[in-house]
Amino acid sequence: DAKTTQPNSMESNEEEPVHLPCNHSTISGTDYIHWYRQLPSQGPEYVIHGLTSNVNNRMASLAIAEDRKSSTLILHRATLRDAAVYYCILRDLEMSHGQNFVFGPGTRLSVLP
Amino acid sequence: KAGVTQTPRYLIKTRGQQVTLSCSPISGHRSVSWYQQTPGQGLQFLFEYFSETQRNKGNFPGRFSGRQFSNSRSEMNVSTLELGDSALYLCASSMTGYREKLFFGSGTQLSVL
Repeated sequence: DAKTTQPNSMESNEEEPVHLPCNHSTISGTDYIHWYRQLPSQGPEYVIHGLTSNVNNRMASLAIAEDRKSSTLILHRATLRDAAVYYCILRDLEMSHGQNFVFGPGTRLSVLP
Repeated sequence: KAGVTQTPRYLIKTRGQQVTLSCSPISGHRSVSWYQQTPGQGLQFLFEYFSETQRNKGNFPGRFSGRQFSNSRSEMNVSTLELGDSALYLCASSMTGYREKLFFGSGTQLSVL
């Protein structure tokens, strides 16, 4: 299984941008990069995903390196509600869940008021 | 649209007992997968069901089993509970289990005494 590496924890100030890095040096051509986050006492929730190009949605932006061996999740203005564990996951979308949906330890983001 | 519903939210059992957890997926979703989350091991895949058939299985002992009904609702059962089975059990649903994002429930917190 292709694996990802993320920092254990990061800290940000409220209303400032946050860049959460993820390394995936063994990514294959059919792996999509997914980000999920888990708020306290809740299940994970989808944030964003991409293959090669940078992606934006209402929650965040995903910047993918040209060689696809790393990516960065960008929260443009962190709020207290963004404090969560963020998971970077590689998924081969030709395979069903469970075959490749592997969660690592993630990055615990703390947001300071 | 209602989200993924898991019941009960909390459960306390003693060693040797068995337990059944329930998951109602989002309407129209036919794939349901189950995960165990512990502080030490993180999120680990248990199994995935699609159209009442187990499609994938993680590396857990046979004491962990599941099933899916014709309305896509799923149950998981753990027999002969051990202290190490104390965990947050999460289920997730999607339409087909391929390509789409997963929607997670809030989980069932199981404590084994």
